[in-house]
Amino acid sequence: AQSVTQLDSHVSVSEGTPVLLRCNYSSSYSPSLFWYVQHPNKGLQLLLKYTSAATLVKGINGFEAEFKKSETSFHLTKPSAHMSDAAEYFCVVGTNQAGTALIFGKGTTLSVSS
Amino acid sequence: GAVVSQHPSRVICKSGTSVKIECRSLDFQATTMFWYRQFPKKSLMLMATSNEGSKATYEQGVEKDKFLINHASLTLSTLTVTSAHPEDSSFYICSARGPQYQETQYFGPGTRLLVL
Repeated sequence: AQSVTQLDSHVSVSEGTPVLLRCNYSSSYSPSLFWYVQHPNKGLQLLLKYTSAATLVKGINGFEAEFKKSETSFHLTKPSAHMSDAAEYFCVVGTNQAGTALIFGKGTTLSVSS
Repeated sequence: GAVVSQHPSRVICKSGTSVKIECRSLDFQATTMFWYRQFPKKSLMLMATSNEGSKATYEQGVEKDKFLINHASLTLSTLTVTSAHPEDSSFYICSARGPQYQETQYFGPGTRLLVL
């Protein structure tokens, strides 16, 4: 079975400081892993994805994530937060090798203060 | 590329009426489309998966007679909430996956349904 756990429901940072959103997964297969971002009352936008290529994945808007199999983690980071990064972030795992369906984490709300 | 639209973006209806939500892939052919439901401050819950030309596969606990899904073409899927009740009020989001994108799903902007 596949599952995903986002370790923090809410993260608050100051503008210009680093961002770390934590995610652990469980998968019977080699997983496909994604981070999506959702701004208020908006749909989901794909930030980045891991599909068994490079373990360090670079995404849009300066975000990146590192796949660590030994730790079953896929944490999302950004060196310097912007006010526009304030949103809901979802860590997502594909449920089989073709990633037909997705299992979503419960989400992490990122707040950025000036 | 990989743009998915939904219509309407917001709908208010009376209890007992039916509401249809459209999901379109604008610049790619979506072999598979997914429908999710999102409650306030909650994660997304997969309702059903539909492949073009086939009957949708519903997740456990989702009433197929209440949430009718039609995937009539490679660019259009519809979700019809039949005899809507206030508890059906939610944010409905579709996603689409095309063969060239493999595992990745691209999401529509969502439809806010309010049933009075």
